[in-house]
Amino acid sequence: QKEVEQDPGPLSVPEGAIVSLNCTYSNSAFQYFMWYRQYSRKGPELLMYTYSSGNKEDGRFTAQVDKSSKYISLFIRDSQPSDSATYLCAMSLNTGNQFYFGTGTSLTVIP
Amino acid sequence: NAGVTQTPKFRVLKTGQSMTLLCAQDMNHEYMYWYRQDPGMGLRLIHYSVGEGTTAKGEVPDGYNVSRLKKQNFLLGLESAAPSQTSVYFCASSAYTGPRSNTGELFFGEGSRLTVL
Repeated sequence: QKEVEQDPGPLSVPEGAIVSLNCTYSNSAFQYFMWYRQYSRKGPELLMYTYSSGNKEDGRFTAQVDKSSKYISLFIRDSQPSDSATYLCAMSLNTGNQFYFGTGTSLTVIP
Repeated sequence: NAGVTQTPKFRVLKTGQSMTLLCAQDMNHEYMYWYRQDPGMGLRLIHYSVGEGTTAKGEVPDGYNVSRLKKQNFLLGLESAAPSQTSVYFCASSAYTGPRSNTGELFFGEGSRLTVL
């Protein structure tokens, strides 16, 4: 069993839709939860970062962490064509020197 | 602002050849990492370094060696390339913010595409 599981998609939505991306994990010791966005032929870049459980909102993006269910989500409101990318969830332990990535979900927002 | 720079960006090798990928960062970060990214497999950690002169194995270290002689550079070597090492390689760095803390932010380079024939 992989440490982090993520549905690879692909996911295709019309512009303006609400997008929900999810990851599950098996290691209850994970403390830090991140979402990275990766455009085609580019390196990933950090989108959202959450410590422990709870919600975090940044503009159109909301990250949720449910440690009891070992489940994290990223919501994108009013999706735009510029949101078309691969979204990777990532997690780390308290030591912070190793990151565990999901396989990524490919998202296309259709104008 | 250069950030993390990887060279070369593209390379084609024949089986058995050797090569070195160079990663340079200008953010004075303590931690540096080498990942490979393959379809359906996501990002997998090859080796990492928590400081100058130190290296450690990640999830998929076999067939690779690394060195961190200078804080700003992290080299990934393939001694005898195999077709299974065809992949996109990403270098990343992150800041050390103290024990039991984590900024959560990895800064990635743009990737090096390696094909082994």
